[in-house]
Amino acid sequence: EIVLTQSPGTLSLSPGERVTLSCRASQSVRSNSLAWYQQKPGQAPRLVIYGASSRATGIPDRFSGSGSGTDFTLTISRLEPEDFAVYYCQQYGSSPFTFGGGTKVEIK
Amino acid sequence: EVQLVESGGGQVKPGGSLRLSCAASGFTLSNYNMNWVRQAPGKGLEWVSSISSSSSYIYFADSVRGRFTISRDNAKNSLYLQMNSLRAEDTAVYYCARGAFGDYVVTYWGQGTLVTVSS
Repeated sequence: EIVLTQSPGTLSLSPGERVTLSCRASQSVRSNSLAWYQQKPGQAPRLVIYGASSRATGIPDRFSGSGSGTDFTLTISRLEPEDFAVYYCQQYGSSPFTFGGGTKVEIK
Repeated sequence: EVQLVESGGGQVKPGGSLRLSCAASGFTLSNYNMNWVRQAPGKGLEWVSSISSSSSYIYFADSVRGRFTISRDNAKNSLYLQMNSLRAEDTAVYYCARGAFGDYVVTYWGQGTLVTVSS
């Protein structure tokens, strides 16, 4: 089983700041099959990034994903008020399709 | 518009069973892999199970293998999760989640149905 470790657990930031979230896998993720999801309170998650670096439909270009193998990053270039949420990474390259524990991006 | 509507959640005693259903619309179900993902109250996301478009491949998390069964009826545009021998730790919101064409990344999520296992 691939264990995904997200860091940090919580980030306190202000609108307009740049944020970088980390997702580290215990072993290489097949075909860079790594996704990022955004979840706001009381809502279902939403796909942000798939294939490590491809933006999902409707996701603004301030979101970008990078990385390969075992180290992946989600970057938000300038935080907008609607970006404050919890972000999860997931690997879907090999079963079990595990999630990371999440990073909460909160308003400072 | 893609829609996934879960039903069948509720309260059940430990050891009991529930069957969740997911009604899919706005796309051709037979073209997509499907998933169930759950979230315990106040906790993170946990992948539960996936099924390929033609039901040829089925996968389960270790935590539910042997107790849960996933199935689909493409003709009825429906996905199912049969949950047996339920435990308190199965308490969660269960999301029906559409995969991609030929892949299991979740591109669309339902709103979820709450399953509570308690005596």
